[in-house]
Amino acid sequence: EAGVAQSPRYKIIEKRQSVAFWCNPISGHATLYWYQQILGQGPKLLIQFQNNGVVDDSQLPKDRFSAERLKGVDSTLKIQPAKLEDSAVYLCASSFWTGANTDTQYFGPGTRLTVL
Amino acid sequence: AQSVTQPDIHITVSEGASLELRCNYSYGATPYLFWYVQSPGQGLQLLLKYFSGDTLVQGIKGFEAEFKRSQSSFNLRKPSVHWSDAAEYFCAVAEGVTGGGNKLTFGTGTQLKVEL
Repeated sequence: EAGVAQSPRYKIIEKRQSVAFWCNPISGHATLYWYQQILGQGPKLLIQFQNNGVVDDSQLPKDRFSAERLKGVDSTLKIQPAKLEDSAVYLCASSFWTGANTDTQYFGPGTRLTVL
Repeated sequence: AQSVTQPDIHITVSEGASLELRCNYSYGATPYLFWYVQSPGQGLQLLLKYFSGDTLVQGIKGFEAEFKRSQSSFNLRKPSVHWSDAAEYFCAVAEGVTGGGNKLTFGTGTQLKVEL
């Protein structure tokens, strides 16, 4: 079974530029998550989708971050404009929805973003 | 709000020695607890999880964890560490989200170094 795919793996941009990350979840997984992991910290949830609807985006900096999952499968996370403090690894995860809150999340390899 | 504390930022053990990584959580209801491992440049891999039942949980790669409600702890153990276990380990607690799935709160991680 293929895992969660993410691209690109690495990205270097200058501040005020825009950047987009792509995620393809495990086949059949209705729930998709985007996390931000700053160096030395644990991952922090940015946004959660259930199919193509947003379940939780309470920690997403909406003035500069946006995310979509138009067809309920792939997802993109965008930052515009980027700030220095956005340098982090952006992790995508997915889970098979059972209706219970014990669903296990499976993570992709992440995209390492460096903002100069 | 739920939280996770991993008091040890770095731990160094000799190959073949036993290992215990500490995790304390704060959560009002029955916690759903996870341990993930992250190797350099990789995403998070699930080691084990606790939802209910037997408080001693077996995972992959010879790891186990014990849930102690009275101590709000979920410590990870391995009887004999291998050099390939060197990585960063994250403890996480989940809460259900209306609409499906769950929301993970991670600790700050423990970096494990294995001396040969």
